Amino acid sequence: DIVLTQSPTTLSVSPGEGATLSCRASQSFSTNLAWYQQKPGQAPRLLIYDASTRATGIPARFSGSGSGTEFTLTISSLQSEDFAVYHCQQYDSWPLTFGHGTKVEIK
Amino acid sequence: QVQLVQSGAEVKKPGASVKVSCKAFGYSFSGHDIHWVRQAPGQGLEWMGRINPNSGVTKSAQKFQGRVIMTRDTSMSTAYMELSRLKFDDTAVYYCAREAVGAHNCFDLWGQGTLVTVS
Repeated sequence: DIVLTQSPTTLSVSPGEGATLSCRASQSFSTNLAWYQQKPGQAPRLLIYDASTRATGIPARFSGSGSGTEFTLTISSLQSEDFAVYHCQQYDSWPLTFGHGTKVEIK
Repeated sequence: QVQLVQSGAEVKKPGASVKVSCKAFGYSFSGHDIHWVRQAPGQGLEWMGRINPNSGVTKSAQKFQGRVIMTRDTSMSTAYMELSRLKFDDTAVYYCAREAVGAHNCFDLWGQGTLVTVS
């Protein structure tokens, strides 16, 4: 199974600042990686797929990059609604796997 | 409105089974695989399996093989996930999710989640 390791576990950021989240894979693959945002008590929401393609309706301040074993989600100028947990997910091979999440909290 | 609506919370005893439903609204049910993902309290997301609503073909994570059964009723636009021989650590929120348009095996539409408590 592909293990995804997300770092940091928690990121404290002030509103208006940027944030960079990392997702490292135990095996190399191309760009079959997605990012989701999850708020307390809610289901996840798809932000990015194919490592860098924003899903429908996702603001341009969210961007994804990477391939192989290193992937990054960047949020420029955090808004109040962006404080949440972010999960990465690989869909390159079975079983589909997720990272354990990065919590972005208000500093 | 495009949405997935799941059945309500369940409390089960160890060794019992639970069956969760997921009804699709506002889109062609047969056009997208439905996946099941669970999240234990305070934990990350765990993929369980998927069903093709058109063919009924399923694929599940090895961890759940022999314990999970995924079915669908196309006339009701509803998918089902039944988990048997429940253990305490099966306590989790169970989500159904639609495979994304243009991006196989990631998920662009999620149900609201069903809390299953094994106690």
